Amino acid sequence: IAGITQAPTSQILAAGRRMTLRCTQDMRHNAMYWYRQDLGLGLRLIHYSNTAGTTGKGEVPDGYSVSRANTDDFPLTLASAVPSQTSVYFCANPRDPKGNEQFFGPGTRLTVL
Amino acid sequence: KQEVTQIPAALSVPEGENLVLNCSFTDSAIYNLQWFRQDPGKGLTSLLLIQSSQREQTSGRLNASLDKSSGRSTLYIAASQPGDSATYLCALKLDSNYQLIWGAGTKLIIKP
Repeated sequence: IAGITQAPTSQILAAGRRMTLRCTQDMRHNAMYWYRQDLGLGLRLIHYSNTAGTTGKGEVPDGYSVSRANTDDFPLTLASAVPSQTSVYFCANPRDPKGNEQFFGPGTRLTVL
Repeated sequence: KQEVTQIPAALSVPEGENLVLNCSFTDSAIYNLQWFRQDPGKGLTSLLLIQSSQREQTSGRLNASLDKSSGRSTLYIAASQPGDSATYLCALKLDSNYQLIWGAGTKLIIKP
């Protein structure tokens, strides 16, 4: 069982380009989350989805969009990347239905030049 | 607004020592608190989860405590090993449907 997979592992992107970070789970959990991690700031929630077909904004949603067409996939899209979006992005979902313990993917390191 | 603080930001200790990592929060009305480990360039691994009604949780050489009245959680690592070197993060939930609020982490280095 892979748990959560993320792709790509890393990416260098020119400013203004569109980019989609992929996240796939094989645990059939309802909720999925996207975080960004920046040095000294900890993890900040970008968007979340509590179930397929629904999404919500987190702490830092501007410049990002998500979709949840099915249970397994939760892609994060940067419509027009800016250098301040250089970060490490983590996809996560709860281990159990109550969302008590979150399980994380390996992350995507994105650099926007 | 709930804030989570981890001090110090970095800590270096000799192998074999027992140590305590701190996590402070400003509002005692929490649902649960988790401790995570993050190795360089890797994702996060959940270590311990403490529910609001609990005082501590143990897993091997790790013991996490929770004192809501003082707004503090500690992660105790016994007989530290070089393999314990990592960044340790704490995160809490305000209720069952709320997302996690994160500390910035403590980078721990265990010197052989």
